[in-house]
Amino acid sequence: SQQGEEDPQALSIQEGENATMNCSYKTSINNLQWYRQNSGRGLVHLILIRSNEREKHSGRLRVTLDTSKKSSSLLITASRAADTASYFCATHYNQGGKLIFGQGTELSVKP
Amino acid sequence: GAVVSQHPSRVICKSGTSVKIECRSLDFQATTMFWYRQFPKQSLMLMATSNEGSKATYEQGVEKDKFLINHASLTLSTLTVTSAHPEDSSFYICSVHRSPGEKLFFGSGTQLSVL
Repeated sequence: SQQGEEDPQALSIQEGENATMNCSYKTSINNLQWYRQNSGRGLVHLILIRSNEREKHSGRLRVTLDTSKKSSSLLITASRAADTASYFCATHYNQGGKLIFGQGTELSVKP
Repeated sequence: GAVVSQHPSRVICKSGTSVKIECRSLDFQATTMFWYRQFPKQSLMLMATSNEGSKATYEQGVEKDKFLINHASLTLSTLTVTSAHPEDSSFYICSVHRSPGEKLFFGSGTQLSVL
């Protein structure tokens, strides 16, 4: 069954604006990961945040994790048209390494 | 370069035929590989965990006789969709990890269309 719920389902912004996507999950996790998928392609790993971490940065990406609320957010700053893609959160909990993916957010960045 | 190679990228077949999809780990040996399925505009659903040298572990609701998984070596796993039907049309993606719980490396996916 799906572990993560994401919102919004779709987000449309102008280049240069920031994009924020949220993910909520149901059970305790070891870590939470964010992935990007361009249409019709495989997924690319963006960032991993562990359950004992609260915030992590990677370039224009900022991820937060609130384990008390079982939620995470992904912020993309100064967005570019090339950031247009679907973004998924995925949670890892104690089941041999498998990841369960959220519903995803479809981001469209208009030039 | 790519860590995971998946072939074919696209396949069209007639109803009733079987289709084999290959997933190769190029950079490291993978005792475990994961097979996901994705319908248009939807998320990835884990189908099964492929284990080298032993039987695959299937998720609830996935028919193991329908989706045959073979993980005969540390670098190759195959998914065979047997007696394919139009409802099996989907995007199938494999993935590997270096260690449990760490990031996944994904293949480029296989778009299966069953006529």
